Amino acid sequence: GENVEQHPSTLSVQEGDSAVIKCTYSDSASNYFPWYKQELGKRPQLIIDIRSNVGEKKDQRIAVTLNKTAKHFSLHITETQPEDSAVYFCAASRVDYKLSFGAGTTVTVRA
Amino acid sequence: NAGVTQTPKFQVLKTGQSMTLQCAQDMNHNSMYWYRQDPGMGLRLIYYSASEGTTDKGEVPNGYNVSRLNKREFSLRLESAAPSQTSVYFCASGRDQPQHFGDGTRLSIL
Repeated sequence: GENVEQHPSTLSVQEGDSAVIKCTYSDSASNYFPWYKQELGKRPQLIIDIRSNVGEKKDQRIAVTLNKTAKHFSLHITETQPEDSAVYFCAASRVDYKLSFGAGTTVTVRA
Repeated sequence: NAGVTQTPKFQVLKTGQSMTLQCAQDMNHNSMYWYRQDPGMGLRLIYYSASEGTTDKGEVPNGYNVSRLNKREFSLRLESAAPSQTSVYFCASGRDQPQHFGDGTRLSIL
């Protein structure tokens, strides 16, 4: 099955700086790559996703990039704010319905 | 505008007891999912239902059964609970991928 590795496991950034989280996947046939944000004690929320026919996607302060050759994708958060503090999960899927998740990155934004 | 609703929110069971976790969505989604979340391991798929009347195993199905009662409801049953099933359980729904999650059920097996 698909194996997704996520780095770093923790990330501390100064408010206003950028944060970058990287994920690698093992199955070259994977074609769907979502990112979820989970605040402490809350539900995961889908924040952005990308499909393999697209190299980059942006939504306000967040962006995701995909390198299919290297089998990695990244989440970029610019101008970080305290409300960006959360655990972020990447995931990958080669078929509908079956997502494999990374272990998560705890992001702390320092005021 | 409820989205995905899970019940109960918390439950404590003794080893060997059985229980059913309930999930309902009001977004007319075809697919529904059950995940478990353990510390440091992200989310793991237990079972999913691509559409009403179908269910399939995910990554960690052992010890669980599911029922897609209708398009809205997807339940997860533990027939004989074990301490290894202590976890937070999330239900999700979506068109063809999990897009909306419920608030979770925190389950402890003693």
